[in-house]
Amino acid sequence: AQTVTQSQPEMSVQEAETVTLSCTYDTSENNYYLFWYKQPPSRQMILVIRQEAYKQQNATENRFSVNFQKAAKSFSLKISDSQLGDTAMYFCAFPISEKLVFGKGTKLTVNP
Amino acid sequence: SQTIHQWPATLVQPVGSPLSLECTVEGTSNPNLYWYRQAAGRGLQLLFYSVGIGQISSEVPQNLSASRPQDRQFILSSKKLLLSDSGFYLCAWSPGALANTGELFFGEGSRLTVL
Repeated sequence: AQTVTQSQPEMSVQEAETVTLSCTYDTSENNYYLFWYKQPPSRQMILVIRQEAYKQQNATENRFSVNFQKAAKSFSLKISDSQLGDTAMYFCAFPISEKLVFGKGTKLTVNP
Repeated sequence: SQTIHQWPATLVQPVGSPLSLECTVEGTSNPNLYWYRQAAGRGLQLLFYSVGIGQISSEVPQNLSASRPQDRQFILSSKKLLLSDSGFYLCAWSPGALANTGELFFGEGSRLTVL
């Protein structure tokens, strides 16, 4: 079965510090995408970052980067220089055919 | 540019009453459409998805149904609501196969409370 697991229900970080959110997945596919989505308190979900499994280089989007370990099936999100606006639920996601399967999410709180 | 709208934003309904949540997408054609339900501590659960008019795939047996009467319209319905139907419902669309594009665009969500 193809699954996505986020083992950290809640995390907190001080403003300007770095935090890493964990995600593991299970698949028998060789080529695929992995995603991190952010859902701020306003509730509209948006894509944060996308990683293509065939690319060895980790994806980076400004302060957001991933640590993709294909053999370990691990896909963590690193947020550098955390800002108050980063407070949100973060979901790791994996596409299976026409569907996107999400982990249970990590609630991140950035403290001033 | 493409936009997605869903309504109503908030709904309080008695047990046994019907439900209709609507979602429309503008600025694109033949989108893939999705209904997710979000419950605390359980992440997002895919309820239904559609790759074309009249084509509905159901992910979990439940008290809900979905329809796609027009290319860019997706409706979530129930004939008789249960307490367990309470939750936050999210409509989303994608421009093509998720395995190729991967990105879902979400609506603002609808909070349903069944009393």
